[in-house]
Amino acid sequence: QKEVEQNSGPLSVPEGAIASLNCTYSDRGSQSFFWYRQYSGKSPELIMFIYSNGDKEDGRFTAQLNKASQYVSLLIRDSQPSDSATYLCAVLYNFNKFYFGSGTKLNVKP
Amino acid sequence: EPEVTQTPSHQVTQMGQEVILRCVPISNHLYFYWYRQILGQKVEFLVSFYNNEISEKSEIFDDQFSVERPDGSNFTLKIRSTKLEDSAMYFCASSAGSQQETQYFGPGTRLLVL
Repeated sequence: QKEVEQNSGPLSVPEGAIASLNCTYSDRGSQSFFWYRQYSGKSPELIMFIYSNGDKEDGRFTAQLNKASQYVSLLIRDSQPSDSATYLCAVLYNFNKFYFGSGTKLNVKP
Repeated sequence: EPEVTQTPSHQVTQMGQEVILRCVPISNHLYFYWYRQILGQKVEFLVSFYNNEISEKSEIFDDQFSVERPDGSNFTLKIRSTKLEDSAMYFCASSAGSQQETQYFGPGTRLLVL
């Protein structure tokens, strides 16, 4: 069983702060790593993906990957109340099989 | 903007009955997926489908489950004999390619087995 671990939270940050979300995975053969946002009762929505070591930036979001430590993170700069949601880490294995973490609930307080 | 659609949005069934959940993926996408999410739990991969055959399936996807692409647009998940523990939200997703390609999720079908 491939494990994807996330702190369930809730993580509370004030509006305008940086939110840092973390994820670890068990299988070194994992190929690509995805961050999804899921609002309550809704389907997951892709924020970004990363597959090379280092940082990848997209607007207010930065994904960081460290394959040696089997660790991927998501930074959200200038957090807004509308960012309040559950953030899901997903790992692609064997080119076509995805494993999701349980998600971290983020609360951004106005 | 193109989107994945799913029907029905809600389905209530009796234990032991067969259900078919329907999905219409985005039209030029080639890879199709089913996931389920039991209330309060993680999203779980069920199956991926490419070129009219299953490419990967999880341990959850046992003989009670089957998938089909009966025509050029629909992608279905059939549960032959539902159990109480099949109650969950079922999401369909599609992507243009595998790996780094964005998966677009449908809104889900909430299945309740009584």
